[in-house]
Amino acid sequence: QLQLQESGPGLVKASETLSLTCTVSGDSISSNNYFWGWIRQPPGKGLEWIGSIYYSGSTFYSPSLRSRVTISVDTSENQFSLKLSAVTAADTAVYYCARHNDLLTGYYKGHQFGYWGQGTLVTVSS
Amino acid sequence: DIQMTQSPSTLSASVGDRVTITCRASQSINNWLAWYQQKPGKAPKVLIYKASSLESGVPPRFSGSGSGTEFTLTISSLQPDDFATYYCQHYNSYLWTFGQGTKVEIK
Repeated sequence: QLQLQESGPGLVKASETLSLTCTVSGDSISSNNYFWGWIRQPPGKGLEWIGSIYYSGSTFYSPSLRSRVTISVDTSENQFSLKLSAVTAADTAVYYCARHNDLLTGYYKGHQFGYWGQGTLVTVSS
Repeated sequence: DIQMTQSPSTLSASVGDRVTITCRASQSINNWLAWYQQKPGKAPKVLIYKASSLESGVPPRFSGSGSGTEFTLTISSLQPDDFATYYCQHYNSYLWTFGQGTKVEIK
């Protein structure tokens, strides 16, 4: 059964870089049918897609965050990671990692986020 | 970029009610539209994909419809377990976009 687990510091100082890792179990991150993505949710607010990565390293980022985001993949560890630089209080959120279909698979099966991690709260302190 | 607008923001309903949530796109879109249910402290769960396809294991009281710029999620008979927040989500040109959410509360 596929499981995703986020890990990383729960507290980050303003202006520093937020770093999170998602460990995937039950499936290979090198599967050529899926993207691996990050989504966040500020307390009491809605969901925001941050970006996604393919096992090959191809990345797609939200235009509003592109200048500060880097997503990378480590196939040997079956993990992918998020780095968000120059954080402010507005970046305080629960951060989720998730799996979704790649473009070809999604054409037939949809582009929804089918599997999610439990989420991890990251608070930016001043 | 295509904007997704959900309505209403909050909905008060009773067990057994028929509930409809709408998601409107800022321009005509294909059917890459999904619906999620989220409960407090939990990750969202897919209910509907490709606008009208029911995710495996989701009760058939949930249904999705629509095309063009307007899509709806309908719960045919609201159950106690259905009080939650619902989000639509769209894919277009390497961008995945969520609506702002609709909270379904107990009336």
